[in-house]
Amino acid sequence: EAGVTQSPTHLIKTRGQQATLRCSPISGHTSVYWYQQALGLGLQFLLWYDEGEERNRGNFPPRFSGRQFPNYSSELNENALELEDSALYLCASNNYSQETQYFGPGTRLLVL
Amino acid sequence: QKEVEQDPGPLSVPEGAIVSLNCTYSNSAFQYFMWYRQYSRKGPELLMYTYSSGNKEDGRFTAQVDKSSKYISLFIRDSQPSDSATYLCAMEGTGTASKLTFGTGTRLQVTL
Repeated sequence: EAGVTQSPTHLIKTRGQQATLRCSPISGHTSVYWYQQALGLGLQFLLWYDEGEERNRGNFPPRFSGRQFPNYSSELNENALELEDSALYLCASNNYSQETQYFGPGTRLLVL
Repeated sequence: QKEVEQDPGPLSVPEGAIVSLNCTYSNSAFQYFMWYRQYSRKGPELLMYTYSSGNKEDGRFTAQVDKSSKYISLFIRDSQPSDSATYLCAMEGTGTASKLTFGTGTRLQVTL
């Protein structure tokens, strides 16, 4: 069974640009979660999508947004990138009733 | 005060040692407790999952939850160099908006 996949693996942007990160959940999973893992800060919850709708968001500014498609894949969009947005962005999936989440390998974003 | 506290380490032990990793938390709503292992530049991988207080064993790994003390532990017996990774505790509870709250992770190095 294929795991969670993310693309691209690495992304380099300059300050002020926009970035789009993509995630495909495990087959059969309807929920997708996005996390930011910056150096020394641990995993910070960004967004949770289920059945195409945003269910919850973490304490991040509105320039972080996303969506979930009918096939349950998801995009994370970051506008007006700042240097401190440099981090590993992780996507996880599960079914709505599950507590555990299964992670992809992440997209490493570097903002110069 | 953070909701979940975890000693960042690094923790260095010789091969074959018993390792104890710990997290404390403040939110009494947490009911589901997980340990993830994260190798360098990879996504977190689910190791152990427990519900409420008690112990759970899986091979060389034992997870322990003490809800009265708000304290969870992961024990690794007969540690191997392949156990060298960052270990993240994670928690979730009814009413916490169905997202995982993570510790910052403890970096473990098992030496030959």
